[in-house]
Amino acid sequence: LAKTTQPISMDSYEGQEVNITCSHNNIATNDYITWYQQFPSQGPRFIIQGYKTKVTNEVASLFIPADRKSSTLSLPRVSLSDTAVYYCLVAPSYNKLIFGAGTRLAVHP
Amino acid sequence: ETGVTQTPRHLVMGMTNKKSLKCEQHLGHNAMYWYKQSAKKPLELMFVYSLEERVENNSVPSRFSPECPNSSHLFLHLHTLQPEDSALYLCASSPSDAGNTIYFGEGSWLTVV
Repeated sequence: LAKTTQPISMDSYEGQEVNITCSHNNIATNDYITWYQQFPSQGPRFIIQGYKTKVTNEVASLFIPADRKSSTLSLPRVSLSDTAVYYCLVAPSYNKLIFGAGTRLAVHP
Repeated sequence: ETGVTQTPRHLVMGMTNKKSLKCEQHLGHNAMYWYKQSAKKPLELMFVYSLEERVENNSVPSRFSPECPNSSHLFLHLHTLQPEDSALYLCASSPSDAGNTIYFGEGSWLTVV
């Protein structure tokens, strides 16, 4: 299993861009990188997924370098409602979806 | 609305009670999961079912008994629980061939008294 390492917590202010980096040094060839967002008392919600280079959707961007040993979730112009826990997930198959501790992002006024 | 519905949303039970949590997915997925999330702890994968067969059981105590009668429904039967089992129980589903894309329900808050 590709183990992931993320910062435990981050702080930001409204309107700023937030970048959360995840390390996954032993990622396998067939692994995809997926990020989830979890608000208190709710299940995690899919944000974005990528395999290499850059992926962008209406919520975030995901940057993956050529060696794929890390990935960076970029949240543009965060608001208070982006305060949540963000998880980076790398797994070889559907039955190995193990979540780490995630990154607790606090957005301040 | 995530396409994964869990009931009840809140449950309080005594240590000698028997209760069940129910999960239903409307996404046409063929893999379903139970996760446990205790206060300020990471999600713990409990059970995984694919095509109604259990494929993963991460050493969960026998007082938790899963049941998957079909690909759309998943139950977690609870019996003789302990107060430390109080947690948020999350059901999820995914296509079994789609990597890490997993869809969670809103969860069932369980309190054992």
